[in-house]
Amino acid sequence: SQQGEEDPQALSIQEGENATMNCSYKTSINNLQWYRQNSGRGLVHLILIRSNEREKHSGRLRVTLDTSKKSSSLLITASRAADTASYFCATLKETSGSRLTFGEGTQLTVNP
Amino acid sequence: EAGVAQSPRYKIIEKRQSVAFWCNPISGHATLYWYQQILGQGPKLLIQFQNNGVVDDSQLPKDRFSAERLKGVDSTLKIQPAKLEDSAVYLCASKGYVYEQYFGPGTRLTVT
Repeated sequence: SQQGEEDPQALSIQEGENATMNCSYKTSINNLQWYRQNSGRGLVHLILIRSNEREKHSGRLRVTLDTSKKSSSLLITASRAADTASYFCATLKETSGSRLTFGEGTQLTVNP
Repeated sequence: EAGVAQSPRYKIIEKRQSVAFWCNPISGHATLYWYQQILGQGPKLLIQFQNNGVVDDSQLPKDRFSAERLKGVDSTLKIQPAKLEDSAVYLCASKGYVYEQYFGPGTRLTVT
């Protein structure tokens, strides 16, 4: 079953605006991670939130986790053109080893 | 520190041919992963190694895909024979003691 589904699939904003991406998942998890992928490149880890945490910040990133709704959101504040990329949420359940299950991603375009 | 290295970066082959991808993880990382990322989708785990042992290969199409990690460092992923639907980016990632995975730039495979 698909674990980790992002919405929207695509988001286009202007520089300086905030971007919010959402992720839903189906089963219980130990943590949820967000990764960024620039065109034609590998993925880069952005932030991790554990199942007992509700909110986490890192620079211009803010992640929330609602385990009762099995959902997470990633907020990028004051976006820049360099934030243009695909963003993926990935869930980890320790009973499946350290396997990450990725969603389909949100393509973010930040227009200068 | 040096990142995860992969080669080749691009490969074009005809269906029914064979192909091999190479990955060199970050030094000291015991866990190594191979993912398949089809265009427009999130990465899907193919196989996970812990040192030179296989932890999870439940999603590896074993009739045509094989992977090894001799000596617990470098790894090779092979496809034989290739099918059109194998066209994708093959990502290698490694992990140390924390949850974060470090990804290589990937190998883009086109099967014609």
